[in-house]
Amino acid sequence: SQQGEEDPQALSIQEGENATMNCSYKTSINNLQWYRQNSGRGLVHLILIRSNEREKHSGRLRVTLDTSKKSSSLLITASRAADTASYFCATVRLGAQKLVFGQGTRLTINP
Amino acid sequence: DAGVIQSPRHEVTEMGQEVTLRCKPISGHNSLFWYRQTMMRGLELLIYFNNNVPIDDSGMPEDRFSAKMPNASFSTLKIQPSEPRDSAVYFCASMQGLANNEQFFGPGTRLTVL
Repeated sequence: SQQGEEDPQALSIQEGENATMNCSYKTSINNLQWYRQNSGRGLVHLILIRSNEREKHSGRLRVTLDTSKKSSSLLITASRAADTASYFCATVRLGAQKLVFGQGTRLTINP
Repeated sequence: DAGVIQSPRHEVTEMGQEVTLRCKPISGHNSLFWYRQTMMRGLELLIYFNNNVPIDDSGMPEDRFSAKMPNASFSTLKIQPSEPRDSAVYFCASMQGLANNEQFFGPGTRLTVL
């Protein structure tokens, strides 16, 4: 089954550094979304990128999508302690309606 | 808007008991999703509704699980009888439209079956 796979599974960096997380998937998609989950909380939508888009920005977030490689990356610039969370990519397969989530990347920002 | 509301936030029950989880989606959203999250399996979609109609329940693990959406502002997920392996965090999410929009998640219900 199609499932986004995040890489790395865990990432620990110093505050102020940039954090990059990657996501790979298996089949053609309609769109790809990134979500954040703080410990003990629900998921929060960060950004959606459609299959005909290559890059999107939102504040300190930059998402790229390479449909030829079936991969996406999420870059968080100038990281802050509050960015500590798990980050999930989720894909909507072409012709489908539901999101399929990956296992997530656990990001820790050290002060 | 208060966001997606789930109740209860925590539920501890004994094996064999019936468990009912509740969800109130964001007003105006016409799609509703039930997910289960565990360390071992990650986030799994159980079932989703569009305009109160179940569209895909292929993720429902067993007949012990059932979900209803009697109206646009309320949905339930029932487990009867519950088993220890059902212990997980159950999330409800709602969305306007279908695939090309973001989903809004509730805070989740942490279920522990002893």
